[in-house]
Amino acid sequence: KAGVTQTPRYLIKTRGQQVTLSCSPISGHRSVSWYQQTPGQGLQFLFEYFSETQRNKGNFPGRFSGRQFSNSRSEMNVSTLELGDSALYLCASSRGLAGTHTGELFFGEGSRLTVL
Amino acid sequence: AQSVTQLDSQVPVFEEAPVELRCNYSSSVSVYLFWYVQYPNQGLQLLLKYLSGSTLVKGINGFEAEFNKSQTSFHLRKPSVHISDTAEYFCAVSDRGTSGTYKYIFGTGTRLKVLA
Repeated sequence: KAGVTQTPRYLIKTRGQQVTLSCSPISGHRSVSWYQQTPGQGLQFLFEYFSETQRNKGNFPGRFSGRQFSNSRSEMNVSTLELGDSALYLCASSRGLAGTHTGELFFGEGSRLTVL
Repeated sequence: AQSVTQLDSQVPVFEEAPVELRCNYSSSVSVYLFWYVQYPNQGLQLLLKYLSGSTLVKGINGFEAEFNKSQTSFHLRKPSVHISDTAEYFCAVSDRGTSGTYKYIFGTGTRLKVLA
């Protein structure tokens, strides 16, 4: 069965622009979580969507937003990009809510964003 | 709040030698515990998990971990490592916080470098 698919894999933007990243979860998974990974900060939780509703949110500014569609695919958007937003953005899907006994995370390969 | 500590940021070890990667978490009534591996330019892949039952958990690629409730630890071990085990390893804990919301909390990672 197909894994978690993230697009695009690599992208370069300039400060002030916005970016949209896409994540297609494993078939049958209803939860999608997003993480930001940087060398200095490790894995930082952005948000989790389950059945099109945001269920959990990390400590990121409002420039970071997301949504989930009825087919469980999810997008995250970062507006007014800053240099510090350069990172690997990882999406993970799970059958149930992340962290529950059915909430084991399956990760995509990530979208590497470089902000110049 | 729940926290996960991976004390070793880097662990060098010679090929065919045993290795232990340490993980400690702050105490909680009940937790689920996970180890993930991340190869360069890839997402995270689940190595093994502890949900309940036997405290010795076997995972993929010959790895195993032992849940020690009294020491709040979940150390990862492999009796004989290969060059291909060179990667970053993340310990994660799922905890149901006081709000009733489950959260996945990741450690900062341990870089395992296997030397020829």
